[in-house]
Amino acid sequence: QQQVKQSPQSLIVQKGGISIINCAYENTAFDYFPWYQQFPGKGPALLIAIRPDVSEKKEGRFTISFNKSAKQFSLHIMDSQPGDSATYFCAARNSGNTPLVFGKGTRLSVIA
Amino acid sequence: GAGVSQSPRYKVAKRGQDVALRCDPISGHVSLFWYQQALGQGPEFLTYFQNEAQLDKSGLPSDRFFAERPEGSVSTLKIQRTQQEDSAVYLCASSPPSTGGGTEAFFGQGTRLTVV
Repeated sequence: QQQVKQSPQSLIVQKGGISIINCAYENTAFDYFPWYQQFPGKGPALLIAIRPDVSEKKEGRFTISFNKSAKQFSLHIMDSQPGDSATYFCAARNSGNTPLVFGKGTRLSVIA
Repeated sequence: GAGVSQSPRYKVAKRGQDVALRCDPISGHVSLFWYQQALGQGPEFLTYFQNEAQLDKSGLPSDRFFAERPEGSVSTLKIQRTQQEDSAVYLCASSPPSTGGGTEAFFGQGTRLTVV
């Protein structure tokens, strides 16, 4: 049973547009929800993360929206740039330094 | 400062061969995690350590997989009698001490294992 479901699988966005990636989770014990960015041949790197006591977190062009009642969270990338082209993973975990459960990833392509 | 270092970056093994993958975490990081990432998929948890204690190995796919962290720093993931289905990228991540809520996990670049 997949604990974190991510969509879409792939996404093509025009330069300057908004990229939106969605995730849904099942386990109500999760209390940390990060988004990771991964370039080919590299390990995942933390982009932005949120805890369930807030509904939105913004860092530069990146925003997480969190809906606790719906058990959903999403990543918005504003003013998308070709350099944002990468694979994005949502993840979740219980409290403390416990293992992350990842979604299957979204391959984002930003075209000029 | 140095990040999480994994070696080798690439490993080609013949089916049936044993392999050992090494992870050097960031200095001072007490938590260390191993994940397996198949092509086009998200990382999947294998096992993790708090210092030298292995707290959870429920993600190891078979008894051919073994991990250790004897001195609470460097960790080795060993795969015995490799099979083709073991071909994947093996990622290591480490986290600094947490006071409760947990801290960021920093990933290495991974070891790409190809079993032929």
